[in-house]
Amino acid sequence: GDSVTQMEGPVTLSEEAFLTINCTYTATGYPSLFWYVQYPGEGLQLLLKATKADDKGSNKGFEATYRKETTSFHLEKGSVQVSDSAVYFCALRGRSGSEKLVFGKGTKLTVNP
Amino acid sequence: NAGVTQTPKFQVLKTGQSMTLQCAQDMNHEYMSWYRQDPGMGLRLIHYSVGAGITDQGEVPNGYNVSRSTTEDFPLRLLSAAPSQTSVYFCASSYSTYRDTNTGELFFGEGSRLTVL
Repeated sequence: GDSVTQMEGPVTLSEEAFLTINCTYTATGYPSLFWYVQYPGEGLQLLLKATKADDKGSNKGFEATYRKETTSFHLEKGSVQVSDSAVYFCALRGRSGSEKLVFGKGTKLTVNP
Repeated sequence: NAGVTQTPKFQVLKTGQSMTLQCAQDMNHEYMSWYRQDPGMGLRLIHYSVGAGITDQGEVPNGYNVSRSTTEDFPLRLLSAAPSQTSVYFCASSYSTYRDTNTGELFFGEGSRLTVL
């Protein structure tokens, strides 16, 4: 079945450092890919998405590119801030017509001043 | 705009007790779902519904029951609580993929933290 594997944390960075969180997936067909973020004590919220190969999703300085050849959707940010401290989830929506999302296990990011 | 509202936010139960986690959304979403979040396990789908009167099992349905009598509400029932059900529960909703307004985004509630002693 469909699955998502993402880099397990925790990840600790200093402010203004470069961030990469790796995400790879297994799915039949052409899934849509998502990154969700969960701030402490809150529910998940959509950070960015890509619906087809070579699409780049971007939001709040974060970017991820849908790479079908490597089945990857790595999250990157050039300069992280303390306010980016959160748990990040990679997710996919599989077969066409299904609303279900399959999530990775999450990566906790802590950014120190 | 309330979005997805979950109640209660915190609950402590004893083994064997039953309870219902409430979920309501005011966005006229067809799709609603329940996930549980456990350390090192990510989010796992418990049950979901694609519309009123229709429910289906997710990845980890055992010990849980759901119903969908209205578009707005999707309660999750624990029939006989067990310590293994200690978790944070999230309700999430979205438009159907068959609607033009569907963007693929799931909208989440703030979560319900359940402890079973």
